Amino acid sequence: QKEVEQDPGPLSVPEGAIVSLNCTYSNSAFQYFMWYRQYSRKGPELLMYTYSSGNKEDGRFTAQVDKSSKYISLFIRDSQPSDSATYLCAMGPGANSKLTFGKGITLSVRP
Amino acid sequence: NAGVTQTPKFRILKIGQSMTLQCTQDMNHNYMYWYRQDPGMGLKLIYYSVGAGITDKGEVPNGYNVSRSTTEDFPLRLELAAPSQTSVYFCASSSIAPTGELFFGEGSRLTVL
Repeated sequence: QKEVEQDPGPLSVPEGAIVSLNCTYSNSAFQYFMWYRQYSRKGPELLMYTYSSGNKEDGRFTAQVDKSSKYISLFIRDSQPSDSATYLCAMGPGANSKLTFGKGITLSVRP
Repeated sequence: NAGVTQTPKFRILKIGQSMTLQCTQDMNHNYMYWYRQDPGMGLKLIYYSVGAGITDKGEVPNGYNVSRSTTEDFPLRLELAAPSQTSVYFCASSSIAPTGELFFGEGSRLTVL
């Protein structure tokens, strides 16, 4: 089993839809969880950061962590075409205290 | 603010050639990283550094070398380029590890023919 698995996508939704992006993981030592957003031909940027279990909300974005199920989610409400990007989950500390990234999912929001 | 700056943005190499990808950050971060990103494969850590003069291997170090002579600069050297090194390379820095936010450059797109 891979340490971090992310839904492969791609995902296409109409503008205004609620989007759910998910990752599962196998390492119970992971304590902090991040979502990075990467626009085409750009570097990733941190979108959400959560420590341990629970929810965190920032505007239209909600990050959810369920450590008992080893499952994290990113919800996007009222999705906009500007949300079209690749979303990568990341978590740690892993081996050598480094972050482990999911493979990323490409989201397209249709006007 | 410049943040993390990578050069070149694009490069085509012939098999067996060597080159250096440059990375500079102006945030006085101690921690710096090199990742490669292949389509559908996420980010793989090549090398990292916890401060000037200290470097260590990541998941996929073969075929690469790094040095860290200053806090600001973290160049990645490709020796004897191979088609398997065709990828997009990202440099990143962080003020805190392992919990800190990573700040990424815009990437260097390398093709080896």
